[in-house]
Amino acid sequence: AQSVTQLDSHVSVSEGTPVLLRCNYSSSYSPSLFWYVQHPNKGLQLLLKYTSAATLVKGINGFEAEFKKSETSFHLTKPSAHMSDAAEYFCVVSDNNAGNMLTFGGGTRLMVKP
Amino acid sequence: EAGVAQSPRYKIIEKRQSVAFWCNPISGHATLYWYQQILGQGPKLLIQFQNNGVVDDSQLPKDRFSAERLKGVDSTLKIQPAKLEDSAVYLCASSLATGRHTEAFFGQGTRLTVV
Repeated sequence: AQSVTQLDSHVSVSEGTPVLLRCNYSSSYSPSLFWYVQHPNKGLQLLLKYTSAATLVKGINGFEAEFKKSETSFHLTKPSAHMSDAAEYFCVVSDNNAGNMLTFGGGTRLMVKP
Repeated sequence: EAGVAQSPRYKIIEKRQSVAFWCNPISGHATLYWYQQILGQGPKLLIQFQNNGVVDDSQLPKDRFSAERLKGVDSTLKIQPAKLEDSAVYLCASSLATGRHTEAFFGQGTRLTVV
């Protein structure tokens, strides 16, 4: 069975400061991992995905995530927050042995203060 | 490339009524998902299709929810009868069937309010 835990339901940062959104996963096999962003009244958009080619994954809008197998973590970071980054972020695990079923974490709401 | 299309965008019904949602996936995507997203929670998988076959429906409340994907393209999700706790956003997503690390593309969802 696979599962995802997003350790913070809400994160608040000031504009221009670093962002850290934490994610831990559980999977029986070598997983695929994704981060999606959901802006209000908009669909889910893929930020980045872990493809096993490199442990540090770069995504859109300056976000990146590091896959740490020993810690079963896939934390999302950004060096400098922008007001437009305010949204809900979801960490997602996919177990290829479960037919690519996607399991979502509970989400982290990122708030950016001016 | 056209994205995943869903309709309607919004629906308000009374409890015990029935409702249906429609989804048109990205052309060529064999895998189609229906998710339920209750306010303040992450999406929960209801059902996953591979072409017109069901891969997983273990979390679909089969006494009131049904879904079909005729001809392996469009899909409909039905609720009959609806309960208050069915109020949520229903998301449809699609992905290519083959290969690992294949991301899913999501529609904008249908927001259902049951009163």
